[in-house]
Amino acid sequence: GDSVTQMEGPVTLSEEAFLTINCTYTATGYPSLFWYVQYPGEGLQLLLKATKADDKGSNKGFEATYRKETTSFHLEKGSVQVSDSAVYFCALRSNDMRFGAGTRLTVKP
Amino acid sequence: DSGVTQTPKHLITATGQRVTLRCSPRSGDLSVYWYQQSLDQGLQFLIQYYNGEERAKGNILERFSAQQFPDLHSELNLSSLELGDSALYFCASSVGTGKETEQYFGPGTRLTVT
Repeated sequence: GDSVTQMEGPVTLSEEAFLTINCTYTATGYPSLFWYVQYPGEGLQLLLKATKADDKGSNKGFEATYRKETTSFHLEKGSVQVSDSAVYFCALRSNDMRFGAGTRLTVKP
Repeated sequence: DSGVTQTPKHLITATGQRVTLRCSPRSGDLSVYWYQQSLDQGLQFLIQYYNGEERAKGNILERFSAQQFPDLHSELNLSSLELGDSALYFCASSVGTGKETEQYFGPGTRLTVT
């Protein structure tokens, strides 16, 4: 069945560092891909999405490109801030939504 | 604030009991989804309703059931509770049902079974 694998955390970075969180997927057909962010004590918020191959989703300085050839949707940000500290989930949807295990990011000043 | 509301915020109950979690979707959204988030299983899709009808089923136990009412709010019923049912339960809503549709999540209900 469909599944998502994302890099295990936790990830700790200094402010202004470059961020990459790897995400690969297995799916039949052509799923839509999403990154969600969860701040402490809150629900998930959609960060960005891509619905077809080579699409690039971007929001708040984060971006990810739908790579069908490598079945990947890696999340990147050029310069992280302390306020980016949260858990990040990669997800795909063909029929129902499948989430990765989540990657906890901590950004230190 | 996503516009999705869930009540109660916290729930503590004993094994064998039954509880009901409530979700109100964003205004205009016809689809409601239920998810369970636990440390060992991660975030798992349980069930989806669209305009009152069950649309998709995920890893939902037979002890669990849900419904969506004419005013589009939804309830998730959990019965014969076990310790392993302790988790965060999220509701999400969306306008449609397509795979590209964005889902908006509520703040969750934290269930503790003792």
